[in-house]
Amino acid sequence: QSVLTQPPSVSGAPGQRVTISCTGSSSNIGAGYVVHWYQQLPGTAPKLLIYDNNNRPSGVPDRFSGSKSATSASLAITGLQAEDEADYYCQSYDSSLSDWVFGGGTKLTVL
Amino acid sequence: QITLKESGPTLVKPTQTLTLTCTFSGFSLSTSGVGVGWIRQPPGKALEWLALIYWDDDKRYSPSLKSRLTITKDTPKNQVVLTVTNMDPVDTATYYCAHTSYGDYYFDYWGQGTLVTVSS
Repeated sequence: QSVLTQPPSVSGAPGQRVTISCTGSSSNIGAGYVVHWYQQLPGTAPKLLIYDNNNRPSGVPDRFSGSKSATSASLAITGLQAEDEADYYCQSYDSSLSDWVFGGGTKLTVL
Repeated sequence: QITLKESGPTLVKPTQTLTLTCTFSGFSLSTSGVGVGWIRQPPGKALEWLALIYWDDDKRYSPSLKSRLTITKDTPKNQVVLTVTNMDPVDTATYYCAHTSYGDYYFDYWGQGTLVTVSS
């Protein structure tokens, strides 16, 4: 059971917009700790996609965006492409656990 | 250009100690603010943070695994070593090392990972 809760799967057709939620609690996201997102393509290492809630590292397309409110965060992907099919993980810090915590991951399928 | 690469045994027996080495380039653990962490991922499962070491030798451990983990650094060799004692089949996973910076709480560069299987 992950500290951060994500839907196991989401799907969308090419060109559509999808969102992936990440629900935490008062000791992590709700405590003001920032949320980060990683993309893991099949058989590869995770790649930082969004950091500090809504910032994109150099090279990440602006089709990817992040937001945060209260005890949850969301990753939005617009203009869905076949190459976006991957697992996505949210991550934050939990003060009660003194732990860098990850979500359970969400598998994005491009129909 | 920052790169990291994990190395170590691919197979260990239950109760044995696992020693993994992360060799990196493009940054130095002598630089203020730099850190290297270890994260693992059992087959088909989610990521799990294990440990982290900073430039000043500040060490952080996952509370659930703290008693079994030791992280050290060899600054001149650009290496970070993680040891995990008393390995169990549930510890079978791909182990990643990753670069971070003090206060950032995220991992911006990752190694390719190394799969460690625990089996007799």
